[in-house]
Amino acid sequence: GDSVTQMEGPVTLSEEAFLTINCTYTATGYPSLFWYVQYPGEGLQLLLKATKADDKGSNKGFEATYRKETTSFHLEKGSVQVSDSAVYFCALRGDGGATNKLIFGTGTLLAVQP
Amino acid sequence: EAQVTQNPRYLITVTGKKLTVTCSQNMNHEYMSWYRQDPGLGLRQIYYSMNVEVTDKGDVPEGYKVSRKEKRNFPLILESPSPNQTSLYFCASSKDRTATNEKLFFGSGTQLSVL
Repeated sequence: GDSVTQMEGPVTLSEEAFLTINCTYTATGYPSLFWYVQYPGEGLQLLLKATKADDKGSNKGFEATYRKETTSFHLEKGSVQVSDSAVYFCALRGDGGATNKLIFGTGTLLAVQP
Repeated sequence: EAQVTQNPRYLITVTGKKLTVTCSQNMNHEYMSWYRQDPGLGLRQIYYSMNVEVTDKGDVPEGYKVSRKEKRNFPLILESPSPNQTSLYFCASSKDRTATNEKLFFGSGTQLSVL
């Protein structure tokens, strides 16, 4: 079945460092891909998405490019801030059904130190 | 303000004592779903509903019940909770049940501990 694999955390960075969180997926067809962010004590929020190959999603300085050839959707940010500390989830929704089901990765905790 | 509201935020109970976690959305969304979040496992879907009176099992439905009598409400019921249901629970909704690029709106979560 469809699945998402993302890098283990925690990831600890200093402020203004470059961030990469790896995400790869397994799916048939042409899934839509998402990054969700969970700030401490809150629910998940959509950070960015891409719905077809080579699309780049971007928001709040974060970017991710849908790479079908490598089945990847890595999250990047050029200069992280303390306020970016959160858990980041990669997710996909397949195109084969009508259930609107999102399949999530296990999440990556990012801690940014001043 | 558009939101998904879950209650309670925290709940401690004992094995076998029935409980209900409420979920309500004010966006007139058709689709609603329950997830549980466990360390190392990410989020797993428990149940979902594509419209009023239409519910279906997700990946981990055992030990849970849901109902969708009104469009805005989607309560999660644990008839006889057990310690392995200790988890962080999230309710979510989206406007259209079939669109593959519709985003989910999440509630703030319910931390449940079953002793």
